[in-house]
Order: sequence, then C-alpha cells, then structure tokens
Amino acid sequence: ETGVTQTPRHLVMGMTNKKSLKCEQHLGHNAMYWYKQSAKKPLELMFVYNFKEQTENNSVPSRFSPECPNSSHLFLHLHTLQPEDSALYLCASSQDGSSDYGYTFGSGTRLTVV
Amino acid sequence: QKEVEQNSGPLSVPEGAIASLNCTYSDRGSQSFFWYRQYSGKSPELIMSIYSNGDKEDGRFTAQLNKASQYVSLLIRDSQPSDSATYLCAVSPPGGNNRLAFGKGNQVVVIP
Repeated sequence: ETGVTQTPRHLVMGMTNKKSLKCEQHLGHNAMYWYKQSAKKPLELMFVYNFKEQTENNSVPSRFSPECPNSSHLFLHLHTLQPEDSALYLCASSQDGSSDYGYTFGSGTRLTVV
Repeated sequence: QKEVEQNSGPLSVPEGAIASLNCTYSDRGSQSFFWYRQYSGKSPELIMSIYSNGDKEDGRFTAQLNKASQYVSLLIRDSQPSDSATYLCAVSPPGGNNRLAFGKGNQVVVIP
C-alpha cells in the first residue's frame, strides 16, 4: 500500500448513472490530485486541491465534479458520463502542495462507461 | 511542443542487459525530475528523483540529468523480468506550483 487508498477499484456504470470515486491519504500531505489515464495517452491532470482549496481545474467537463472536505479525503462525483470517459482514474497526493518531491499515487479506479 | 516527451517505442532488452530510456522537456526553468514505474493495471510508483545535473544512482537504477540540453534519462542495469513495465518521466515546472507534467511513458520488456 502506498498510503493513498482509492475505492472502488473497478466501476462499471451506465451513461445515466451517478457514482462517486473516493480517495483517502494517510501521509499527512496537503495537496491532492485527480488524474485520468487513457490508453496510450499521457496522464491528464483533472483537478488540484491544496489545503482543501481547488487550485486547478484543467478544463474538465462539468459531468466530473470534485469534492475535498479535508486534506485527507478527495471525491470525484460522476454523472451522465460518456463512453469516452472510460479510463483509469488516479488519485495522488503530495507534500506541502509542491510537486518538488513527486506525487504518491493510489491504486486507481478502472472506470467503464457503458 | 509537448511539455514532456518520451518518443521511443517499446524497448525489448535481454535479461542482464542495460535498458536506457530518454525524456526531453520544454520548460528550461524546470527544477525537479522524476521517473515512475507502472506495471500493467497498476498505479505509477516513484522510483527515482533527480534535481541536479549529473548522475544519481540507486541500486540498479541511474538517473542522468542535463539541464542545458533539457533531457533526463534512466538506465536500468542488469535488467530483470520484474523490470518489465511502463516508465513515466515527470517534470516539475518552475514557479513553485504543484503540477507535475508527465510524458506518455515508455514500455520496457525484459526477455528472459
């Protein structure tokens, strides 16, 4: 375990469903991130939270809605997704809101939209 | 120009050989550089970080950084089948923000 826990590990949802992804970190980090990883593409940054405040929304469609109630928990709420949203969704955290020491990733949620 | 580029295709190396991976980046002011290993179906795992020009060795891994030429490389000595994975290069841009830029990764296959 990396200290960053994501649930569920796998999720299959219909285009009209609403679901949420959860991420929890036990590392005492202050920044948390959502990334999308599609086949043969670089990791795509979606959202950044630093001390619970959203500091970056990387032009993500509104069908993805993040929530960060505290520095240890991060959610990604999903609704009316499209098949092209199927991907591996990775949560990460970092120390002191800086990327200078790299990120620690969770194990990811493999999402399939049908 | 992409922020971080890893252009070479899948790399096949015989067991015991050296695997060499290269990465170039566009922002000359970048300060921190990382290599992540990602096994199929798993999340990226940080294996090396480098901040100064030159070489940094950790076990069988050596990271090399050349800021003047804007590239960072990873050498894997005595490659083992367990090294078969995708290796992601990541760069921290200047300015103190908290956004890592990732390359698309290079797949390494170690042949027994």
